[in-house]
Amino acid sequence: QKEVEQDPGPLSVPEGAIVSLNCTYSNSAFQYFMWYRQYSRKGPELLMYTYSSGNKEDGRFTAQVDKSSKYISLFIRDSQPSDSATYLCAMKSGGSYIPTFGRGTSLIVHP
Amino acid sequence: EADIYQTPRYLVIGTGKKITLECSQTMGHDKMYWYQQDPGMELHLIHYSYGVNSTEKGDLSSESTVSRIRTEHFPLTLESARPSHTSQYLCASSEWDRGVNTEAFFGQGTRLTVV
Repeated sequence: QKEVEQDPGPLSVPEGAIVSLNCTYSNSAFQYFMWYRQYSRKGPELLMYTYSSGNKEDGRFTAQVDKSSKYISLFIRDSQPSDSATYLCAMKSGGSYIPTFGRGTSLIVHP
Repeated sequence: EADIYQTPRYLVIGTGKKITLECSQTMGHDKMYWYQQDPGMELHLIHYSYGVNSTEKGDLSSESTVSRIRTEHFPLTLESARPSHTSQYLCASSEWDRGVNTEAFFGQGTRLTVV
């Protein structure tokens, strides 16, 4: 079993939909959780960075962490075609330099 | 926007050639990383560095080598390229901030094709 599981998709939604992207993990030591967006042929760019459990909101994006269930989510409200990309979750334990990445979920938002 | 740069962006090279992929960051980060990523697959860590003169191998076995002579520069070298090295190579950096390792910032990547 991989430490971080993420459904590769693709997930196809209409413009304006609410998108839910998820990751599960097995390492209870993970404390820092990140979501990256990666457009085709580009490097990942950081979207959200959260510590421990709870929610964090930034514009149309909300990151949610449930440590008791070892489950994290990224919600995108009012999705746009420009949101079409691969979304990677990443997480690491306190004091660790090296994040563990999920394989990414491909999101397609069609007009 | 992260100030981490990779060159070249695209490279097609023949088997057996020696190549160096360049990575530079202007953020003063002490931690730097090289990842390999195939289409639709996970990022695999191949090398990382805690700081100048510090390099470590990552989880993925790699025939490449790295050096860290200056904080801002972390080149990756393949002594003899093979078709199996065809992939996207991503460089990243991060730092310690008040006892916490910050998130990693990535470059745009180098897409390498070995023919």
